[in-house]
Amino acid sequence: NAGVMQNPRHLVRRRGQEARLRCSPMKGHSHVYWYRQLPEEGLKFMVYLQKENIIDESGMPKERFSAEFPKEGPSILRIQQVVRGDSAAYFCASSRSGGGTEAFFGQGTRLTVV
Amino acid sequence: QKEVEQDPGPLSVPEGAIVSLNCTYSNSAFQYFMWYRQYSRKGPELLMYTYSSGNKEDGRFTAQVDKSSKYISLFIRDSQPSDSATYLCAMNYGGSQGNLIFGKGTKLSVKP
Repeated sequence: NAGVMQNPRHLVRRRGQEARLRCSPMKGHSHVYWYRQLPEEGLKFMVYLQKENIIDESGMPKERFSAEFPKEGPSILRIQQVVRGDSAAYFCASSRSGGGTEAFFGQGTRLTVV
Repeated sequence: QKEVEQDPGPLSVPEGAIVSLNCTYSNSAFQYFMWYRQYSRKGPELLMYTYSSGNKEDGRFTAQVDKSSKYISLFIRDSQPSDSATYLCAMNYGGSQGNLIFGKGTKLSVKP
């Protein structure tokens, strides 16, 4: 019974490049959430998705960031034209029911922008 | 005032001690309350979640919610060195909102 799978675990990008982070939810979970964790900061909500729908993107920066959860395949968090301030740990979580309750997290992708 | 306040610690206790971790919150609309454990450079691990005021026990862990005081606690009995981690409280509004609001976490160290 695999948990939430995220890849890659570590990603290095030069400023201006694109970063793609992938997340496969736990089996039977149709709700996916993305969070960002900066050093010495708490986890900050970014976006909540169900299959083919964005439910809540109130935490997403207005520019350069996008997320999708297609009918087939993993959820993708995409960051275009990365800047140094995007360096952080990005966590994906999934839950069986909506609302974020009883959400299980993956091991995260650590993005470093050089 | 932040929505969720949590003392960052660090908190250091001897092995076998009872640990008390706490969070306060300001928004009475929060419905669900969760505790996560996060080891260094790992993802948060869900320990417990509760809905109503009162206590919920699971092994050495007890979660307590006092909605009238907007105060939640996690107690760890017979603490072990393997409990050394950062503990995060989280809460949400329930319903269709997926936004978990996290405290900044308390770093716990259990000394053998």
